Amino acid sequence: SQTIHQWPATLVQPVGSPLSLECTVEGTSNPNLYWYRQAAGRGLQLLFYSVGIGQISSEVPQNLSASRPQDRQFILSSKKLLLSDSGFYLCAWSAGTGPTEAFFGQGTRLTVV
Amino acid sequence: DQQVKQNSPSLSVQEGRISILNCDYTNSMFDYFLWYKKYPAEGPTFLISISSIKDKNEDGRFTVFLNKSAKHLSLHIVPSQPGDSAVYFCAACASGSARQLTFGSGTQLTVLP
Repeated sequence: SQTIHQWPATLVQPVGSPLSLECTVEGTSNPNLYWYRQAAGRGLQLLFYSVGIGQISSEVPQNLSASRPQDRQFILSSKKLLLSDSGFYLCAWSAGTGPTEAFFGQGTRLTVV
Repeated sequence: DQQVKQNSPSLSVQEGRISILNCDYTNSMFDYFLWYKKYPAEGPTFLISISSIKDKNEDGRFTVFLNKSAKHLSLHIVPSQPGDSAVYFCAACASGSARQLTFGSGTQLTVLP
């Protein structure tokens, strides 16, 4: 069966520090991968998605970037965090073809102080 | 511009009664719709989905109805149980895309014992 791992679960970082959140998927090949953010009291906003290695699409301009160095690895990064980057970050995957649901990781609570 | 809207931020229902969660969308290209359930500090869990070629899909206590002409869908939970208390997100995607989901802002369901 497929599983998705996301870490760390919580993170407190000072303003201006770098960020690296990692997500890996097991049990499937060539998945679509996604990073979402949930700001406090709000819905889920798509940040990045990837349909293959090295292919990254950004949905919103921001202080963050994403990379997909391997088929089942998706990384969310920042060179310098802002206070507004605080939120709950979620990685997700879906099958590469056909209408299908996305499956989410457990999320990372990021607090920038 | 919110393409998926959940206009009720919260809903309280007595245990055993029916819960009806509503969702509206504006993008006529959406052809696949999903409901997710989310507990605090966890990733969303997929509940049920429906393709635009159908108007109803049922899975146990959960039924999703789709009214394409009104661009409206709803999730019925019957009978409601206290364990159903969570935030419910409506999501939609379009075929031909990378299956990136557009989410509503969520509805907090509280089932009272």
